[in-house]
Amino acid sequence: GQNIDQPTEMTATEGAIVQINCTYQTSGFNGLFWYQQHAGEAPTFLSYNVLDGLEEKGRFSSFLSRSKGYSYLLLKELQMKDSASYLCAVRGSNDYKLSFGAGTTVTVRA
Amino acid sequence: DAMVIQNPRYQVTQFGKPVTLSCSQTLNHNVMYWYQQKSSQAPKLLFHYYDKDFNNEADTPDNFQSRRPNTSFCFLDIRSPGLGDAAMYLCATSRQGKGTEAFFGQGTRLTVV
Repeated sequence: GQNIDQPTEMTATEGAIVQINCTYQTSGFNGLFWYQQHAGEAPTFLSYNVLDGLEEKGRFSSFLSRSKGYSYLLLKELQMKDSASYLCAVRGSNDYKLSFGAGTTVTVRA
Repeated sequence: DAMVIQNPRYQVTQFGKPVTLSCSQTLNHNVMYWYQQKSSQAPKLLFHYYDKDFNNEADTPDNFQSRRPNTSFCFLDIRSPGLGDAAMYLCATSRQGKGTEAFFGQGTRLTVV
C-alpha cells in the first residue's frame, strides 16, 4: 500500500519562501509528483522527481531523497496567487497508479 | 484548449437514483483514472484503465462502476448514490511510463439530495 504524509496547513508572507515536506512509504517507487490545486478546481502539475536531488522550475523547486522516502516543494518569492493546496503524489511499483497525499493548504498573507 | 473534459461540472442527483459522469480526452493517452475527492482530503483512486484493461481498487465500493468504450471516453456510473458519495469526481489521463504526469479534468461536483 501507499502512505503519503504532508502537513495540513502553512502560512507565509508575500515575497517569502515556504518549504512543504512530504514523506512516503510505498511498495516500489516510480516517481514523485507535486500538484497545485486551487479551491474547487482540478489539480495542475508542478514538478516531477525520480532521481535524488533538486529540480528547479522558476520559482518552484522540488527535492527528492529516495533512501529517506522524503521530498519537499520549495516556493520562492511567494505571491498571493500561490495560496492553494499543494499535493504530493507518488507512483509505486505499478507505473500507472498515482496515489496522493491529503495536501498542504498554503495561505499567503500580504 | 481543454484536453480532459468532464461533464457536467455540477451534478445533483437523488438518493438512490443512478447517475453517470463522463470524461473525454484529446491527448490520446492510454491510461485513464477516476478519483473521488472529498473536502480537505486526498484524491482517492477508484479505478484506472490501461487501454481497455480495467483495474479496480480493492476498497472501491461495488456501487461504483466504470466503462471505457474507446480511448477517448470514460464513464463513471454510480448505481445507487448515497449521501456519503457526495464529492468532487476527478478524471485524469496519462501516458504509460515513469516520468509522465497525469492531466486532470475540471472535475464534476456531485451533490446527493
